[in-house]
Amino acid sequence: EIVMTQSPATLSVSPGERATLSCRASQSVSSNLAWYQQRPGQAPRLLIYGASTRATGIPARFSGSGSGTDFTLTISSLQSEDFAVYYCQQYNDWPSLSFGGGTKVEIK
Amino acid sequence: QVQLQESGPGLVKPSETLSLTCAVSGYSINSGYFWGWIRQPPGRGLEWIGNFDHIGNTYYNPSLKSRVTISVDTSKNKFSLKLSSVTATDTAVYYCARLGPRWEAVVDYWGQGTLVTVSS
Repeated sequence: EIVMTQSPATLSVSPGERATLSCRASQSVSSNLAWYQQRPGQAPRLLIYGASTRATGIPARFSGSGSGTDFTLTISSLQSEDFAVYYCQQYNDWPSLSFGGGTKVEIK
Repeated sequence: QVQLQESGPGLVKPSETLSLTCAVSGYSINSGYFWGWIRQPPGRGLEWIGNFDHIGNTYYNPSLKSRVTISVDTSKNKFSLKLSSVTATDTAVYYCARLGPRWEAVVDYWGQGTLVTVSS
């Protein structure tokens, strides 16, 4: 099983600032990595797939990078609606899928 | 617009079987994609349970495989989850979901989720 580890667990950021979230895989997942956003009481929403491709309708302030075992989600200028929990997910080990433990982005 | 809606009991007793159904609208399960279940214990992260494809192949999380069955009723465009011998650790929000093919196995549509509590 590929274990996904996200850091930090909580990130305190002021509105308008940049947020950088990390996700590390226990073994290479190539570029088969996705990011999701989950607001309180809602289902997750797909942001990024293929490590760096934005899903339909996702604003350009969200960007993903990385390959192999180390990945980054960057939110260039945090808006109020961006304060949420973010999860990474690998699908390189298909059909086994695994998610990271999440990073909560909170208002500083 | 693809929509998924979970339904089923919100309370299950320990050692019994959890049963949920997902009704899909806006897309025929027979037309493609993968369909499956993901759960999230309260305050915790996401766990993939299993999924199936439109030609009947099923795939399960190895850690749950002995207790999980996913089945489909294409005539009603619904699919179901059964999880046997539940314990308190199975308490979670259960989501049904549509996933892409193996080279892009991400969730593009989610149900709203349903909380299932395991308690006597």
